Amino acid sequence: GDSVTQMEGPVTLSEEAFLTINCTYTATGYPSLFWYVQYPGEGLQLLLKATKADDKGSNKGFEATYRKETTSFHLEKGSVQVSDSAVYFCALSVRGGSEKLVFGKGTKLTVNP
Amino acid sequence: DTGVSQDPRHKITKRGQNVTFRCDPISEHNRLYWYRQTLGQGPEFLTYFQNEAQLEKSRLLSDRFSAERPKGSFSTLEIQRTEQGDSAMYLCASIPLDAGGSPLHFGNGTRLTVT
Repeated sequence: GDSVTQMEGPVTLSEEAFLTINCTYTATGYPSLFWYVQYPGEGLQLLLKATKADDKGSNKGFEATYRKETTSFHLEKGSVQVSDSAVYFCALSVRGGSEKLVFGKGTKLTVNP
Repeated sequence: DTGVSQDPRHKITKRGQNVTFRCDPISEHNRLYWYRQTLGQGPEFLTYFQNEAQLEKSRLLSDRFSAERPKGSFSTLEIQRTEQGDSAMYLCASIPLDAGGSPLHFGNGTRLTVT
């Protein structure tokens, strides 16, 4: 079945450090890929998405590129801020069916000043 | 677009009691999803509706769980004879029918604590 494997945390960085959170997937069809973020005490928010191979999603300084050959969608940010502290979830949905999301387990990021 | 609304935000109940949660999706979103998220885990799919029809149920949805969407608008999720293992955040999400790879819109969830 469809699944997402993401780097387990927690991850602790200093402000302005470079961030990478790895995400790989297995899908029976041609998935769309997403990164969601969950700030403390809040719901899930879409951070970025990519719907086809080689697409790059970007938002708020975060980027991720849909790599079909390596079945990966790694999240990166060049310079993290304290306000980026949150839990990040990689997810996929396969088009043409229910379009339900399949999530990874999440990676908790803490950024220290 | 007022977003997906869930009620209540928090629910504390004693083991063995029944609880019901409500989700109001974004207006005109045909598809509605329920997820469960336990501490330190990613959300897990429970069930999904297209209009009023419940089209898929996860094996996680035991016989004690039932979901309805009677008029194709709001949905309810009921848990009967709650157990401590039911303690979790219950999330609702919606998308239009022709989403074409668009992301799900999530509500803020209902946090259930079973004592």
